[in-house]
Amino acid sequence: DAGITQSPRHKVTETGTPVTLRCHQTENHRYMYWYRQDPGHGLRLIHYSYGVKDTDKGEVSDGYSVSRSKTEDFLLTLESATSSQTSVYFCATGHAGQPQHFGDGTRLSIL
Amino acid sequence: SQQGEEDPQALSIQEGENATMNCSYKTSINNLQWYRQNSGRGLVHLILIRSNEREKHSGRLRVTLDTSKKSSSLLITASRAADTASYFCATDGWGGGADGLTFGKGTHLIIQP
Repeated sequence: DAGITQSPRHKVTETGTPVTLRCHQTENHRYMYWYRQDPGHGLRLIHYSYGVKDTDKGEVSDGYSVSRSKTEDFLLTLESATSSQTSVYFCATGHAGQPQHFGDGTRLSIL
Repeated sequence: SQQGEEDPQALSIQEGENATMNCSYKTSINNLQWYRQNSGRGLVHLILIRSNEREKHSGRLRVTLDTSKKSSSLLITASRAADTASYFCATDGWGGGADGLTFGKGTHLIIQP
């Protein structure tokens, strides 16, 4: 989706380092989401935001934090990366009851 | 925990044939959605069906929903090579999706030329 940009697209880092992933939208959607996708699990919700400075936890939030200081930006932070957080991370945006729009993902490898 | 479960996990058919994928879920829903994911890309929305609807069409796509059985099916007619992708169902529960979607594990569809 051209209106959602994730950065970086690929990252390799070491265990114990902090990592921040960025999602930027030009859709002016109220809701933003972070999911992770792993083989055998499909997509699982990490955190979501329902407005500026308003966030809540999803199904697999342990080890992750988020921030949303502007409507268009939603940051996902791994405070101290672990190998179990190696995954593909997707950002999505939308309105309640409507389809979500996804970015093309960030492939994160933690060695 | 996973809400939806797609069946089959993988499906390989000849171009021109129809492809049917099924999804089962566990709790009450507000609506159910189907998404497609091409390799290395994000998910793309295909169709949304509300809990009070039984069938919905969009081009070559037909989706059915049976809330009594907590199941849905996606039919792709006259398949094309470009339909090769993974397909996911997602449910939003009574929160209307504001608190995120719950995805199944997906069906990987391969269309043989």
